[in-house]
Parts: sequence; structure tokens; C-alpha cells
Amino acid sequence: LAKTTQPISMDSYEGQEVNITCSHNNIATNDYITWYQQFPSQGPRFIIQGYKTKVTNEVASLFIPADRKSSTLSLPRVSLSDTAVYYCLVGLVTGGGNKLTFGTGTQLKVEL
Amino acid sequence: EAGVAQSPRYKIIEKRQSVAFWCNPISGHATLYWYQQILGQGPKLLIQFQNNGVVDDSQLPKDRFSAERLKGVDSTLKIQPAKLEDSAVYLCASSSPGQTNYGYTFGSGTRLTVV
Repeated sequence: LAKTTQPISMDSYEGQEVNITCSHNNIATNDYITWYQQFPSQGPRFIIQGYKTKVTNEVASLFIPADRKSSTLSLPRVSLSDTAVYYCLVGLVTGGGNKLTFGTGTQLKVEL
Repeated sequence: EAGVAQSPRYKIIEKRQSVAFWCNPISGHATLYWYQQILGQGPKLLIQFQNNGVVDDSQLPKDRFSAERLKGVDSTLKIQPAKLEDSAVYLCASSSPGQTNYGYTFGSGTRLTVV
């Protein structure tokens, strides 16, 4: 399983764009990159997933360079409610049989 | 659709006692996972079921932990006897090949405190 490295914590202010970068130098050809968000006292929640280039949904964007050795989760115009832990995961996705390993995540704190 | 249901929400027990957690996955999800999340750490996979069969239990401390999913639907995770280091949140998740994002859906977890 590819190991991931991401910052332990980040601070931001409401209305700013936040970019969290994850390093995964040993990513395998068939691995996907998946990001989860976790609020206190809740289970992680799927945010976005991608394989290469750029993926965008209503919550975030995911940028993946051509070598796929890193990825950046971009949260536009964050609010206080975006304060959470964000996990970058890399693993084989087999549609229901996937095995994803969580690291320690990035604690994002958004202030007024 | 209904989410992943877990109970109880909180549990406090003394060391050496036993405890059981229950999980009901999203209807139709064939794959069910149990994770252990210690405070300040990411979730760690304990066991993975595909229908009622175990796919991966390599990180399950089998001397004290057991899990079953008899009818391929809901599941129970048991700890007997509990140790202080078992204090954690126990998360259940499920997934299905039919999901467009191939992501997991997690329950809210059971917070276990062993004193």
C-alpha cells in the first residue's frame, strides 16, 4: 500500500481558499487517490476521488500532476464548518472490495 | 437512503469486562468494515467482510477481539476481555460495487472507554 504524507495541521480564515497537499511517492499504477473529511464525534465522510489531472465536485477540487506522486485538495472559500481532519488515502479501488489505509490526516482549523 | 447505523453510541466498562458493538450497513452493501480509531490517530482497519465471509482480519487482535456477520447484513464486534488500550472509537463502514465513487460510508461510531 502506498504511504501518504500530509501536513499535520493548517490554519485558515473564513472565505479563503485552502489547499492541502499530500505526497504519495510510491503510488501504484492502479491506485486511486481519495480524500475524506472527519468532524469530531463522526465517522469520516467521502469528499472526492481521482486518478489523474483534475476532478471537481460541489465540495472540492482535486489536482493530480502527471507523475501522480502528489495530489492537492482544494477547498474554495472555507467557512467555520470546514474545520475538520482531512485524510488523503491511496489504494486500489475494486468497487466494494477496496482496501484503504488512513494516515494521521491534516487538522484544518478555520477562524473568523 | 439510510446511513450506516451503529450502537451503542457510548460505552464505559472496566478492564477485563466484555463489550459488544453492533453495526447495520447500508442496505445492499456487500462489504462491511470495522475500524478502530484511537484519539489523535486515523482509523485502523480491524476486519473486512464480503457478504458473510472474512476478507481481511490481519490486524484484528484475535486473542480478545471477534467479529461476525452471520447473515451477510448486520455485524457484531466483541472484545473480551477489554484492556485499557482498547479505549477508542469503533467505526463501522460499508461499501458496494454499485457506488459511483467507490468510497466507504461510515457510521458515527461507538466510543469505548475502558477504566
